[in-house]
Amino acid sequence: KQEVTQIPAALSVPEGENLVLNCSFTDSAIYNLQWFRQDPGKGLTSLLLIQSSQREQTSGRLNASLDKSSGRSTLYIAASQPGDSATYLCAVRWFFGNEKLTFGTGTRLTIIP
Amino acid sequence: KAGVTQTPRYLIKTRGQQVTLSCSPISGHRSVSWYQQTPGQGLQFLFEYFSETQRNKGNFPGRFSGRQFSNSRSEMNVSTLELGDSALYLCASSPEGSGRGGYNEQFFGPGTRLTVL
Repeated sequence: KQEVTQIPAALSVPEGENLVLNCSFTDSAIYNLQWFRQDPGKGLTSLLLIQSSQREQTSGRLNASLDKSSGRSTLYIAASQPGDSATYLCAVRWFFGNEKLTFGTGTRLTIIP
Repeated sequence: KAGVTQTPRYLIKTRGQQVTLSCSPISGHRSVSWYQQTPGQGLQFLFEYFSETQRNKGNFPGRFSGRQFSNSRSEMNVSTLELGDSALYLCASSPEGSGRGGYNEQFFGPGTRLTVL
């Protein structure tokens, strides 16, 4: 079964620290992987999209990596700020079953001022 | 360029009623997908529309249906509402959607919060 897992479910870190969020998936035959953030009661904001042929993508203080062979992706946030507090979701689009994104359950991040 | 818009933002209905939600994709995007988000099940795929045709459907009962118009706007309908249908319904658009491999970045709208009493 194709599944996406995000551990831990919640994370609190002091402002200014660098941090890593984890995402693992069960089938390496992926088209791409996308990271989103979701603020409480809001929709999803796309952060980064990594194609299956790529190893990483960067946008500002965010860097996402992809290791298909191990079924893992990480989202690195540099110099965290209180405004980074949100739930972070990763989503995978597989070759088979590519009609949809399969989401992890998310990591709720709290940045402590 | 305007983002994905969804209307209404909030709805309160009672069991047995039906509801229609609307989604306007980003200009130029032809694919619209719908997802349901609940605390217990997380985000689950409902269906995808492309060029006015339902291309894919998730594992939801027939009470959930949708359509897409020639301008790519999409509507989702839920009939005979049940308490378990209370959720945040999210719409996402992309230029081509599934079947086009690597360039399927999905952009989500703010969602419609449906409460069934």
